[in-house]
Amino acid sequence: KAGVTQTPRYLIKTRGQQVTLSCSPISGHRSVSWYQQTPGQGLQFLFEYFSETQRNKGNFPGRFSGRQFSNSRSEMNVSTLELGDSALYLCASSAGRGYEQYFGPGTRLTVT
Amino acid sequence: AQKVTQAQTEISVVEKEDVTLDCVYETRDTTYYLFWYKQPPSGELVFLIRRNSFDEQNEISGRYSWNFQKSTSSFNFTITASQVVDSAVYFCALSGKETSGSRLTFGEGTQLTVNP
Repeated sequence: KAGVTQTPRYLIKTRGQQVTLSCSPISGHRSVSWYQQTPGQGLQFLFEYFSETQRNKGNFPGRFSGRQFSNSRSEMNVSTLELGDSALYLCASSAGRGYEQYFGPGTRLTVT
Repeated sequence: AQKVTQAQTEISVVEKEDVTLDCVYETRDTTYYLFWYKQPPSGELVFLIRRNSFDEQNEISGRYSWNFQKSTSSFNFTITASQVVDSAVYFCALSGKETSGSRLTFGEGTQLTVNP
């Protein structure tokens, strides 16, 4: 089975811009979660989607949003980028609650 | 609220030494799941093991073993005869069935360096 894929792998954006990141889960997985990883805050949960519905949300401002499509692919969007949004954004898919999550290679976002 | 503590920020060993990575967790859920992930320099998180709260059996997989003790809320990870390829950041994580669903709460991670 193919693993979780994320595009793009690297992004450089300017403050105030917006960005969309994409994630394709493992075939058959309906749950997709997003995490932000920074040196200062570690790994933090952004949100989880299951069957096109947001099922759980972390403590991030409304500038961070996401969606899931009928084929389980997911996108996350960050609007009005700030320098502090520079991070590695990781997507993970799983078969459901309590199951292990498999992570993609991540998108490294740099905001200048 | 869920919390995972990995008190060891960095560990450095010489190849072939055994090393144990500590993980202590807090949760109010009666059903919960514990995980270990490895993050090599490439950045991708690699799943190693999953344990549910009702299964306290220790597990061994090759050079890796895990010790789950509910009484002390710990889920420690031991690498036997470490190798240079084991160098990575290791994360312990927790999800609670009742309160957090699929949401993983991660520890701060332990940077393991295995020197030749």
